[in-house]
Amino acid sequence: EIVLTQSPGTLSLSPGERATLSCRASQSVANNFLAWYQQKSGQAPRLLIYGASSRATDIPDRFSGSGSGTDFNLTISRLEPEDFAVYYCQLYGSLGTFGQGTKVEMK
Amino acid sequence: QVTLKESGPALVKPTQTLTLTCTISGFSLSTHLMRMNWIRQPPGKALEWLARIDWDDEKFYTTSLKSRLTVSKDTSKNQVVLTMTNMDPMDTATYYCARIRGGADLYFDYWGQGILVTVSS
Repeated sequence: EIVLTQSPGTLSLSPGERATLSCRASQSVANNFLAWYQQKSGQAPRLLIYGASSRATDIPDRFSGSGSGTDFNLTISRLEPEDFAVYYCQLYGSLGTFGQGTKVEMK
Repeated sequence: QVTLKESGPALVKPTQTLTLTCTISGFSLSTHLMRMNWIRQPPGKALEWLARIDWDDEKFYTTSLKSRLTVSKDTSKNQVVLTMTNMDPMDTATYYCARIRGGADLYFDYWGQGILVTVSS
């Protein structure tokens, strides 16, 4: 079973700054079957990125995904106030393995 | 417009059986490659995938809870049902239903709002 490890656990940044979140898999991810979700407090997760780098519908282009193999990143180029949330990566080649999440909090 | 909405009890007692319903609209459960999932999230913790039922009625369960879970669907009612037996306080969580639409691309494109289930005597 592949395990996803996200880092850092918490990222403290200011609006306008760049955020880089990491998701590392314990084994190589086939076909880049890696997704990213955003979860705001009290809300359901929202799909941001699939296929490691494809933005989902209506996701702003300040969100980008990259990586392959075992190392993946989610980058938010310039943080907006609404981007402060928890972000999860998910491996979807198997039956829905999630990482532990990275919280992006306002500094 | 695609919507999913979970319903069920907010409070269950230990050892009881939990039954949750996900009512969908804007698509059909019988559409080829439509797959419905249950995912839960204990307070302050990460997401955990529980179960999936596909358009063709194939079912999948997380290994750790397989003996306690049953997923089913009623296409005519646009509903997906999850039952979990022998509930424990550790099962306290927000339970979400989420949709997958695809063959190989098994990411969750739509989610319900979630329902918080507390297990307590």
